[in-house]
Amino acid sequence: QQQVKQSPQSLIVQKGGISIINCAYENTAFDYFPWYQQFPGKGPALLIAIRPDVSEKKEGRFTISFNKSAKQFSLHIMDSQPGDSATYFCAASKAAGNKLTFGGGTRVLVKP
Amino acid sequence: GAVVSQHPSWVICKSGTSVKIECRSLDFQATTMFWYRQFPKQSLMLMATSNEGSKATYEQGVEKDKFLINHASLTLSTLTVTSAHPEDSSFYICSARDRTGGVFVGEQFFGPGTRLTVL
Repeated sequence: QQQVKQSPQSLIVQKGGISIINCAYENTAFDYFPWYQQFPGKGPALLIAIRPDVSEKKEGRFTISFNKSAKQFSLHIMDSQPGDSATYFCAASKAAGNKLTFGGGTRVLVKP
Repeated sequence: GAVVSQHPSWVICKSGTSVKIECRSLDFQATTMFWYRQFPKQSLMLMATSNEGSKATYEQGVEKDKFLINHASLTLSTLTVTSAHPEDSSFYICSARDRTGGVFVGEQFFGPGTRLTVL
């Protein structure tokens, strides 16, 4: 049972553009929603995370938007750069330290 | 801070042998570590949760006798793939829960992964 659905599977964006990745979850007990960036052959690195008590969180060029009623959250990458080309995973858990359920991943390619 | 290391970074072994992978939290104590498996171009699948000083909790479908996990200290967990076969070839990633630090207390930080190839 896939509890976190992520879309799109892949994304091509021009340098300077906005990358948008969406995730939807089913389990209303989830209350911690992190996003990870993974480069080929490397482990995932935490980008930004949010709890359901806020609707938006911004860190640099990365913004999470959260819609609790729709059980959806999204990652926006502003001013996308070629160095942002990577696979991005959303995840969810019942608390920050509990086991994570990952989305399927989105491969982002930023063209110069 | 919050650095997690894995050793080795890659390993090639013959079918039938056992392979041990280490996961260490370098600058924090981790009462809980997690082991994931990732196939090419796929997502991370949780294999087991490792708690210091107690038995690991395995996810459904993961053979506990094949994937032995030991969490003997607050900074070290090991995954041993016993009698490895080609279908065990994968990218194994650990994460460690920082029980006191992080933006959110208890955040998980991931290791760089170990590429296992079984011939």
